[in-house]
Amino acid sequence: GAGVSQTPSNKVTEKGKYVELRCDPISGHTALYWYRQSLGQGPEFLIYFQGTGAADDSGLPNDRFFAVRPEGSVSTLKIQRTERGDSAVYLCASSAGPTDTQYFGPGTRLTVL
Amino acid sequence: AQSVTQLGSHVSVSEGALVLLRCNYSSSVPPYLFWYVQYPNQGLQLLLKYTTGATLVKGINGFEAEFKKSETSFHLTKPSAHMSDAAEYFCAVSDKRGTYKYIFGTGTRLKVLA
Repeated sequence: GAGVSQTPSNKVTEKGKYVELRCDPISGHTALYWYRQSLGQGPEFLIYFQGTGAADDSGLPNDRFFAVRPEGSVSTLKIQRTERGDSAVYLCASSAGPTDTQYFGPGTRLTVL
Repeated sequence: AQSVTQLGSHVSVSEGALVLLRCNYSSSVPPYLFWYVQYPNQGLQLLLKYTTGATLVKGINGFEAEFKKSETSFHLTKPSAHMSDAAEYFCAVSDKRGTYKYIFGTGTRLKVLA
């Protein structure tokens, strides 16, 4: 079975631009998570979806960051007015339920010039 | 709040030698504990996890970890390193027991010398 997939694998953008990062979870997984991994750091929690709703968005750094999961499957992380400090690897994970093991995708490396 | 400390950002071992990667956590309540491995350009892969029960946990690829409540530790070991073990290893805890928010350490990059 397919694992978690993320597109694009790499994204280079200019400061101030808008970007969208996509996550396709494991089929049937109701829980979906976004993490951000900065250089030399471990992943940091951003947001958790249960089904279509964002159950916990406490990790989003500011209101430039937004994520959706309209049909309870694919999720999109949206970043407005990107800043150089947003450069990082954005990881998506999914799990069967909120207390089950999280399976991670390969990540999207975002570079803001 | 929970926190995770991984001692040693880089560890080098010879092929065939013991691998020991250290992880300590801070929590007043024993959390769920995890070790993930990350190979270059790949996602995090779960090696093993501790939830309840036996404190010595065996994982994939010959790795194991022991939960020691008195030391608030969850060190990862493997008796004999293989070249293919070279990767970055992350220890993580769940923010609250059994819940979804994982707190990760900063990672340990393992280098295996021929």
